[in-house]
Amino acid sequence: EAQVTQNPRYLITVTGKKLTVTCSQNMNHEYMSWYRQDPGLGLRQIYYSMNVEVTDKGDVPEGYKVSRKEKRNFPLILESPSPNQTSLYFCASSTGSSSYNEQFFGPGTRLTVL
Amino acid sequence: AQSVTQLDSQVPVFEEAPVELRCNYSSSVSVYLFWYVQYPNQGLQLLLKYLSGSTLVKGINGFEAEFNKSQTSFHLRKPSVHISDTAEYFCAVTPFGAGGGNKLTFGTGTQLKVEL
Repeated sequence: EAQVTQNPRYLITVTGKKLTVTCSQNMNHEYMSWYRQDPGLGLRQIYYSMNVEVTDKGDVPEGYKVSRKEKRNFPLILESPSPNQTSLYFCASSTGSSSYNEQFFGPGTRLTVL
Repeated sequence: AQSVTQLDSQVPVFEEAPVELRCNYSSSVSVYLFWYVQYPNQGLQLLLKYLSGSTLVKGINGFEAEFNKSQTSFHLRKPSVHISDTAEYFCAVTPFGAGGGNKLTFGTGTQLKVEL
């Protein structure tokens, strides 16, 4: 089954404790992206990757890092999480670089930073 | 830069009634338009998209949307809703062409609540 998977689905952590949220897709997609969803703000892009070893900032990159060493994986790293990073995170992927291509979303990771 | 406005944060409607969810956008360049649906505790799923051609676009689950360039709108409609349509609906745009990160700019979402 074609899908985007994220782990963990739920995470409660404390300020300053490094964490990684994994994202994997099995559709051989070149493009991957991370969004955060906050009430009243919709989804905002954090980082994106057009292909392996190619990443760039989205609208809200502060406090986050990403890497794209393999085509299928695009982990989101919070080196020193803070309470304002409490949010619902979605990973997405799509084929090619054309903006009309449908983006497929993972099920989301709900992160709480105490 | 692009922006998307969904004026209604919540829309309550009775089952079998028609519904319209409004979306307006602003952009200095041409854009593609999308509607996504998010069911409770799930990720986003594409409902429909407008790329070019006919301004009336049909999607899954009986939804349709009409692109109006002069009014920069892309309203979503369904003639008869079902309880299972209860979800949050997001309008999104992305600029034409490659590059720019394929970034989707989302509206703030409209919660559709279908009641018996």
